[in-house]
Amino acid sequence: DTEVTQTPKHLVMGMTNKKSLKCEQHMGHRAMYWYKQKAKKPPELMFVYSYEKLSINESVPSRFSPECPNSSLLNLHLHALQPEDSALYLCASSPRTSGAYEQYFGPGTRLTVT
Amino acid sequence: QQPVQSPQAVILREGEDAVINCSSSKALYSVHWYRQKHGEAPVFLMILLKGGEQKGHEKISASFNEKKQQSSLYLTASQLSYSGTYFCGTVSYNTDKLIFGTGTRLQVFP
Repeated sequence: DTEVTQTPKHLVMGMTNKKSLKCEQHMGHRAMYWYKQKAKKPPELMFVYSYEKLSINESVPSRFSPECPNSSLLNLHLHALQPEDSALYLCASSPRTSGAYEQYFGPGTRLTVT
Repeated sequence: QQPVQSPQAVILREGEDAVINCSSSKALYSVHWYRQKHGEAPVFLMILLKGGEQKGHEKISASFNEKKQQSSLYLTASQLSYSGTYFCGTVSYNTDKLIFGTGTRLQVFP
């Protein structure tokens, strides 16, 4: 099974809402990632988890809060977002965080903030 | 810091060849190549490590020039299914961050 799943596929939320994005993989990978992708732009790294611990935070605003409950799950909690946060949010996993390993991406959650 | 890709866009007829280049200002540990179709997730194509290259798919290959901090992706005898946006991703020494390049949009027509 080489699949990374993400839910929901689409999400519309107001600026005062609290919502969560979920990502799951069953490949035994110990590194998981959150990326943000705006239209016609490359994915931008937000967070990296290695062995369930946050190892990289790319100076992401605190209204985005990641969580890694176990080695298969990755959540992104959203609160008080701004319209400019509307984007495709991609989750990825790899065996380890080393640059020697490929990353497998999930289908993404398309987020619209109204 | 973001790798620069060239060209920005390529239009091909089926069967034609293309080369996509990726250039970084940093010393690189590895270069990754991904293809993303509209509305879909990026799909891994191949990874190139210091001192070598790895062919990930038939008719798609890549090279990595460490000294010049550049990589090139070669697509031969293009097929309609090759259409999409190609991203290189680079990992520098002493970091685990994959930084995606500016992207190259490839369109293949019959």
